[in-house]
Amino acid sequence: DAGVTQSPTHLIKTRGQQVTLRCSPKSGHDTVSWYQQALGQEPQFIFQYYEEEERQRGNFPDRFSGHQFPNYSSELNVNALLLGDSALYLCASSVRTGKYQETQYFGPGTRLLVL
Amino acid sequence: AQSVTQPDIHITVSEGASLELRCNYSYGATPYLFWYVQSPGQGLQLLLKYFSGDTLVQGIKGFEAEFKRSQSSFNLRKPSVHWSDAAEYFCAVGGRGSYIPTFGRGTSLIVHP
Repeated sequence: DAGVTQSPTHLIKTRGQQVTLRCSPKSGHDTVSWYQQALGQEPQFIFQYYEEEERQRGNFPDRFSGHQFPNYSSELNVNALLLGDSALYLCASSVRTGKYQETQYFGPGTRLLVL
Repeated sequence: AQSVTQPDIHITVSEGASLELRCNYSYGATPYLFWYVQSPGQGLQLLLKYFSGDTLVQGIKGFEAEFKRSQSSFNLRKPSVHWSDAAEYFCAVGGRGSYIPTFGRGTSLIVHP
């Protein structure tokens, strides 16, 4: 059973560019959440996708957008990159059952460096 | 609002010694509690979780945690630490109606040979 996968593993961009990160959830999971983790910090919630819609959003600007596909995989897009966007981007998948969320399982992350 | 406090930024132990990492939470209802471990540059791996039932939870890699409602705590323990346990440990809280877990700031575990 494959776990959560993310691509690419590493990425280098320059300021002002745009980037797309990809995530495939664990088999049987229908919900994908994205987190940004700066060096030495805890993960910060960006947004969550369920049924191809953004369901919840953290305190991130509109430069951060996403998409979920019918097969539950997801993309995170960041426009107009800033130096401060350099971080490890984590994808987590889970199952949404009724009124609560099951356990989140994380992928290995994508390390983004903005120069 | 839910929150998690991990009072210890760094913990240093000798290999073979016992370990306890502290976690205190604030949540308005019955919490769901998690411990994750993260090796440098890697994703988070779930060690264990508490949803309900027995307050002593067994996890992977020989870890356990005890939920104490009266103390709002969910401390992580291991009887004998191995050098490979050196990593960052995150406690998180969620619950019914809360789709997003809140993470503590993490505790860095250093293991001396």
